[in-house]
Amino acid sequence: EAQVTQNPRYLITVTGKKLTVTCSQNMNHEYMSWYRQDPGLGLRQIYYSMNVEVTDKGDVPEGYKVSRKEKRNFPLILESPSPNQTSLYFCASSDRGDQPQHFGDGTRLSIL
Amino acid sequence: SQQGEEDPQALSIQEGENATMNCSYKTSINNLQWYRQNSGRGLVHLILIRSNEREKHSGRLRVTLDTSKKSSSLLITASRAADTASYFCATDDRMDSSYKLIFGSGTRLLVRP
Repeated sequence: EAQVTQNPRYLITVTGKKLTVTCSQNMNHEYMSWYRQDPGLGLRQIYYSMNVEVTDKGDVPEGYKVSRKEKRNFPLILESPSPNQTSLYFCASSDRGDQPQHFGDGTRLSIL
Repeated sequence: SQQGEEDPQALSIQEGENATMNCSYKTSINNLQWYRQNSGRGLVHLILIRSNEREKHSGRLRVTLDTSKKSSSLLITASRAADTASYFCATDDRMDSSYKLIFGSGTRLLVRP
């Protein structure tokens, strides 16, 4: 089954404790991206990757890091999480950025 | 930056009625897409319409695109309670070589049984 898998689905943590949200896709997609969703603000892109070893900033990259060492994986790293990063996060993949996106089920992060 | 803006923000209708949602955007686009999101879940792609198309159908969905007005509408006919969800439009920017999508803030649709 074609899917984008995110882990964990839920996480409550404290300010400053490094965390990683993993994302994996099994569709051989070139393009992967991370979004955060906040009430009233829609989805905002954090980082995207057009291919292996190619990553670039989206609209709200501050406080986040990503890497794309393999085609299928695109982890999101919060080196020093802060409460304003409390949000619902989605990973997505596609053949190209402007093509239909396949979304994961989301990761709800709460940073206290 | 906001590209697509949906209208209305919320819509409540009776089962069997039609639901219409609108989206406006700012730049020249290659295509416009509509997505659906059930509460707390990931977005699901519904339909893509290219900039040279004016109308597209998929089952009970009908999408129109007016590039001169930079607007699109999504019509769901004969709505069902299961159509209750948030609906988002997403556009690319023809001048942006990253091909990324920008999503609007969505329309929350409630279909009452």
